[in-house]
Amino acid sequence: DAGVIQSPRHEVTEMGQEVTLRCKPISGHNSLFWYRQTMMRGLELLIYFNNNVPIDDSGMPEDRFSAKMPNASFSTLKIQPSEPRDSAVYFCASTPRTAVVTEAFFGQGTRLTVV
Amino acid sequence: KNEVEQSPQNLTAQEGEFITINCSYSVGISALHWLQQHPGGGIVSLFMLSSGKKKHGRLIATINIQEKHSSLHITASHPRDSAVYICAAANTGNQFYFGTGTSLTVIP
Repeated sequence: DAGVIQSPRHEVTEMGQEVTLRCKPISGHNSLFWYRQTMMRGLELLIYFNNNVPIDDSGMPEDRFSAKMPNASFSTLKIQPSEPRDSAVYFCASTPRTAVVTEAFFGQGTRLTVV
Repeated sequence: KNEVEQSPQNLTAQEGEFITINCSYSVGISALHWLQQHPGGGIVSLFMLSSGKKKHGRLIATINIQEKHSSLHITASHPRDSAVYICAAANTGNQFYFGTGTSLTVIP
């Protein structure tokens, strides 16, 4: 398996534009997590899905952020409208089981810059 | 207060030195993860442990559940070990509480 695949790797956009980040988890993994990493706050959980269902979105900063998982092999994180303070690296991770604690597999991240 | 505290924040070592990074957590956990992040950003899982000790090559991770403390040790450090090491406490839902990371630089 190619691992968790995120796209794009880098995104530069103007303030006010819509941004969509994409993630393909490892095939067969049941849980998918979106994280944000900034210099000030480090890594933070934004939202996670179990079996395509959003379980906890309390980490989503505000209504401008939304995430979907229409099927087991694809998830999106959307920011609309984007703001400069959204600049960060966004990671997607997946794990193989929901009931047992397991190792997490991270994508390479999407570096977002909002100017 | 952060649920997971790491120390030190920054660490510079000479090649060959023994390195220890510490992690304390305040949440109830099912497992403690050590992650490595190289310049360029990719995150790799090094260890997942819920008790005792694990070893992989020159890396050793230990955990003391009673004291809510874990350590990552690197023996015979090498410049390629230079990276950010992140401690993460995981609950039963695999939600991670991250430490702020330890930036390690190993000088030849």
